Amino acid sequence: QVHLVQSGSELKEPGASVKISCKASGYTFTSYSINWVRQAPGQGLEWMGWINTNTGNPTYAQGSTGRFVFSLDTSVSTAYLQITSLKTEDTAIYYCARPYATGKFCFDPWGQGTLVTVSS
Amino acid sequence: QTVVTQEPSFSVSPGGTVTLTCGLSSGSVSTSYYPSWYQQTPGQAPRMVIYNTETRSSGVPDRFSGSILGNKAALTITGAQADDESDYYCLLYMGSGFYVFGTGTKVTVL
Repeated sequence: QVHLVQSGSELKEPGASVKISCKASGYTFTSYSINWVRQAPGQGLEWMGWINTNTGNPTYAQGSTGRFVFSLDTSVSTAYLQITSLKTEDTAIYYCARPYATGKFCFDPWGQGTLVTVSS
Repeated sequence: QTVVTQEPSFSVSPGGTVTLTCGLSSGSVSTSYYPSWYQQTPGQAPRMVIYNTETRSSGVPDRFSGSILGNKAALTITGAQADDESDYYCLLYMGSGFYVFGTGTKVTVL
């Protein structure tokens, strides 16, 4: 069964960095991209971008350039999202999600989410 | 910047029918945007209920259906039940590897 398991909650001060992980199992990791989605408290879902797990090439949404970095460690079937120079407005739940199937433009499954809290 | 608009909220009676829509700030939604719909309850990750406009995900009850209505994607719940009370988001594929989520609709069943 396909699973995405994310790392645990993080509490960081403004200006710090955080790196959250998304470990895949149940399928060949390099066969599907990994997408990242953000949800601020009480707000909607925001697509942040995706990373090609074959090439490592990232694609960032317009609002996710600069301080957000997608990376991989294919040896452990894990994708990472690093956020640098954290701001209080980065407080959110961050989800990873996989395309449902090749050629399908939709996301299933999803990771359980990682809460990042930025506060002094 | 593309905005994908959904109704903020809907209330439906148990057993009733509700149709949520997903529209573009400029232009019409068609099957070429591969609309998909996600159900999210508090504290949970989103769950895909519809993809490719109208295909139900595995295990999703057949009271959920997807379509194109006019110039919008639509999600209809026919015979709403208490556990359908959730937030619902549409997702559109904009091409070239880019996606946009809708603003979300909160559905209350009462």
